[in-house]
Amino acid sequence: AQTVTQSQPEMSVQEAETVTLSCTYDTSESDYYLFWYKQPPSRQMILVIRQEAYKQQNATENRFSVNFQKAAKSFSLKISDSQLGDAAMYFCLYNNNDMRFGAGTRLTVKP
Amino acid sequence: DAGITQSPRHKVTETGTPVTLRCHQTENHRYMYWYRQDPGHGLRLIHYSYGVKDTDKGEVSDGYSVSRSKTEDFLLTLESATSSQTSVYFCAIRGTAMNTEAFFGQGTRLTVV
Repeated sequence: AQTVTQSQPEMSVQEAETVTLSCTYDTSESDYYLFWYKQPPSRQMILVIRQEAYKQQNATENRFSVNFQKAAKSFSLKISDSQLGDAAMYFCLYNNNDMRFGAGTRLTVKP
Repeated sequence: DAGITQSPRHKVTETGTPVTLRCHQTENHRYMYWYRQDPGHGLRLIHYSYGVKDTDKGEVSDGYSVSRSKTEDFLLTLESATSSQTSVYFCAIRGTAMNTEAFFGQGTRLTVV
């Protein structure tokens, strides 16, 4: 079964600085998709960014970008110019139809 | 907002009683999922459905059953609730293509006393 590991339960970043959240996964599949979701205290799940496994190019969405290393099965999220509103739980998601989440990283942004 | 609603939003029940949570969608999406969220564990997949009457187990399916008799509804049943099933339960829906965004319900907080 596919497993997703987020090894950083908590991370902290200064406002306007850059932070990287780590995610690794284990799969024998070749075709899959990876996502990062954000969950603020409201418990709403918000899509941050997605990556297609067959694409070499790393996805970027404004201040959010990923470093996707398929051979290493690594999918990290970089948040640039961190803002107070970025504070939330961040979940890495692996999708090959059965969607599997990592345990999450709680990000704190310090003013 | 994607048309997905969970009911009830909150429930307190006694150990040993059956409980059914409902997920309803208006998007006609093929895939529906049930997760539980507990501190330190993220969202763990309980069961999911890839069509009417087509379901499969997730990573924490023991003690749970599901049914999907029509596209719009996915029911999660705890046959005999235990205190270890106290959690926040999320339903999610997704279209057929694997790269499509998943949409989540607001969650159901279930307390088993």
